[in-house]
Amino acid sequence: GEQVEQLPSILRVQEGSSASINCTYENSASNYFPWYKQEPGENPKLIIDIRSNMERKQTQGLIVLLDKKAKRFSLHITDTQPGDSAMYFCAASADSGTYQRFGTGTKLQVVP
Amino acid sequence: DMKVTQMPRYLIKRMGENVLLECGQDMSHETMYWYRQDPGLGLQLIYISYDVDSNSEGDIPKGYRVSRKKREHFSLILDSAKTNQTSVYFCASRPGQGNSDYTFGSGTRLLVI
Repeated sequence: GEQVEQLPSILRVQEGSSASINCTYENSASNYFPWYKQEPGENPKLIIDIRSNMERKQTQGLIVLLDKKAKRFSLHITDTQPGDSAMYFCAASADSGTYQRFGTGTKLQVVP
Repeated sequence: DMKVTQMPRYLIKRMGENVLLECGQDMSHETMYWYRQDPGLGLQLIYISYDVDSNSEGDIPKGYRVSRKKREHFSLILDSAKTNQTSVYFCASRPGQGNSDYTFGSGTRLLVI
C-alpha cells in the first residue's frame, strides 16, 4: 500500500476563516510529508513540510499536523485570503523510497 | 537562479506522431522525475532517473520512455502518441537520494489529437 488519500477535493471558505485539508497514507515507512501549492497554469511549489520526528510545524499562517499512529497529516491555513485560492497537494515519501506519492489535490476557493 | 526548465510549454501533436519533451536543471541534482497531472488524479509518476543512464519505471510507464545522457538533462519520449496521453507533464528534480522537496519545472501542456 502506497496510496495517499486527500480530502476534500474542493473546499470553499470565507475570507478570514480557516481552511483544513486532510491526507492519509498507507506506507508506515513514510517519514517526509511536503505540501505544495499550485496556482492556475503554474507548477507546484513547496509551501511547508514536516518530518516524522515532529507532530506540528507552523510557518506564516500555515500549520501542519502529523499523526503517525493514524497515518494522517493535515494542512491548516489560518486567516485565509483570496491569494490562498489555489490547488494544494500533499505528498509522502520514505527514506527507502526515492519518490513522493501525491494526493489527488484540493481546490481551495477563498470567497470575499 | 536555480531552476528546472521544460520545453516546450505547449505542444499539439497528431495521434501516432512521436513526441519529445525536454527537461533541464542547473543544480547538479542527481535524481530527476517525470510526472503527468490530470484532473482528479493528481500527479502520477511516469519515470525516475537516479543519474546518467540509471532510470526506473514509475507507476504509469506504459507508452513512455526516457533518456538521460547528461546529469542536467532528462527527456521523456512518447513513441506513437495516443489521445489518452493528452495531459500536463511536469519534470522535477531533487539532490541525491535523500528525502527532500522537489523543484518542479513549469510543465508542458500536451494535446494529442
